[in-house]
Amino acid sequence: NAGVTQTPKFQVLKTGQSMTLQCAQDMNHNSMYWYRQDPGMGLRLIYYSASEGTTDKGEVPNGYNVSRLNKREFSLRLESAAPSQTSVYFCASSEVAPETQYFGPGTRLLVL
Amino acid sequence: DQQVKQNSPSLSVQEGRISILNCDYTNSMFDYFLWYKKYPAEGPTFLISISSIKDKNEDGRFTVFLNKSAKHLSLHIVPSQPGDSAVYFCAASESSGSRLTFGEGTQLTVNP
Repeated sequence: NAGVTQTPKFQVLKTGQSMTLQCAQDMNHNSMYWYRQDPGMGLRLIYYSASEGTTDKGEVPNGYNVSRLNKREFSLRLESAAPSQTSVYFCASSEVAPETQYFGPGTRLLVL
Repeated sequence: DQQVKQNSPSLSVQEGRISILNCDYTNSMFDYFLWYKKYPAEGPTFLISISSIKDKNEDGRFTVFLNKSAKHLSLHIVPSQPGDSAVYFCAASESSGSRLTFGEGTQLTVNP
């Protein structure tokens, strides 16, 4: 059981470039989440998917889009990266919302 | 507005002593509370939770206390061990909701 996996582990982008962060879980969980972690700000919810086929905005959705590809996979896309999006991004899943969430190892993103 | 607040960015204790981490919340609709632990370069991992129908929950060396009237919860670690050195996040949710709201985190350092 791998749990929650995220790719890539680290990425450097130039301002204006686009990229997709991938997340997959093998626990048959219904709900999936994307967070960003910044110093002194805790974990802030970007988008979540309470169940397959649904997505909703979280606290800080601007500049991001998501796709719940199937029950296992939930991707986060930056269409035009900005330096303010430099952060560590975590994907998480839970059997049902809003119970205990299981987190992936994170993706460190640097936007120059 | 910050609905879940951890006012202490850092805490340092001696090995064997008690560590007390605090968390305050403002949303009276929160009825489920969790603590997560995060090591560097890893995702957060679930530690312990408590429902609002209880005022205490214990799991080994970890105890969470909930004071609903004060909208305050705390995590006690007894005895503290160097391996407990990590960032601790408290989180809260509404049972009717779909998401967790996290605090800013407290860096705990346990000195040998």
